[in-house]
Amino acid sequence: DQQVKQNSPSLSVQEGRISILNCDYTNSMFDYFLWYKKYPAEGPTFLISISSIKDKNEDGRFTVFLNKSAKHLSLHIVPSQPGDSAVYFCAASALGNTDKLIFGTGTRLQVFP
Amino acid sequence: DTAVSQTPKYLVTQMGNDKSIKCEQNLGHDTMYWYKQDSKKFLKIMFSYNNKELIINETVPNRFSPKSPDKAHLNLHINSLELGDSAVYFCASSQDLDGSKYFGPGTRLLVL
Repeated sequence: DQQVKQNSPSLSVQEGRISILNCDYTNSMFDYFLWYKKYPAEGPTFLISISSIKDKNEDGRFTVFLNKSAKHLSLHIVPSQPGDSAVYFCAASALGNTDKLIFGTGTRLQVFP
Repeated sequence: DTAVSQTPKYLVTQMGNDKSIKCEQNLGHDTMYWYKQDSKKFLKIMFSYNNKELIINETVPNRFSPKSPDKAHLNLHINSLELGDSAVYFCASSQDLDGSKYFGPGTRLLVL
């Protein structure tokens, strides 16, 4: 039972443009969401998070949007840079149980010049 | 300085063998985890320890036994390895309540 879904396995974007990575979830108990970035042969690195009391959180070039009614969140990267090329994982948890993160299967982003 | 380190990075072994993976974190975090990433790229939690005490055990076969000698170390011992155990195993640690975790580079286990 896949509670966190990233339906696009890959995304290719030109440098300087916006990258939009999407994530859907099914469990209505989830109220805390995170994005991780992973380079080959490395572990995932925390990028940005959002709680369900917000619908947007911004950190530099990265913005996460949350649509609770649609059970959907997205990560926007603007402008995209070649160094952003990586696999991006969406993860979710219920507050008070952040030890147990449920991850999506990831979206591979490639930013080309 | 490496925050979360794992050894070995690669492990190739025969079915039925017993193997261990070691993890160390120098971040002073209280909580450590083992995650498994299978061939379908699902990253799933296996165990979590807080200050050497087991907190989460996610229906993992009892062939897998974590051991935390101190809060900076969490090792994973696997008995009687099976083909399905082939995966990438990630160690992680956290301190903040926001759920963000620091992951190690992973151990790529291949069981032949």
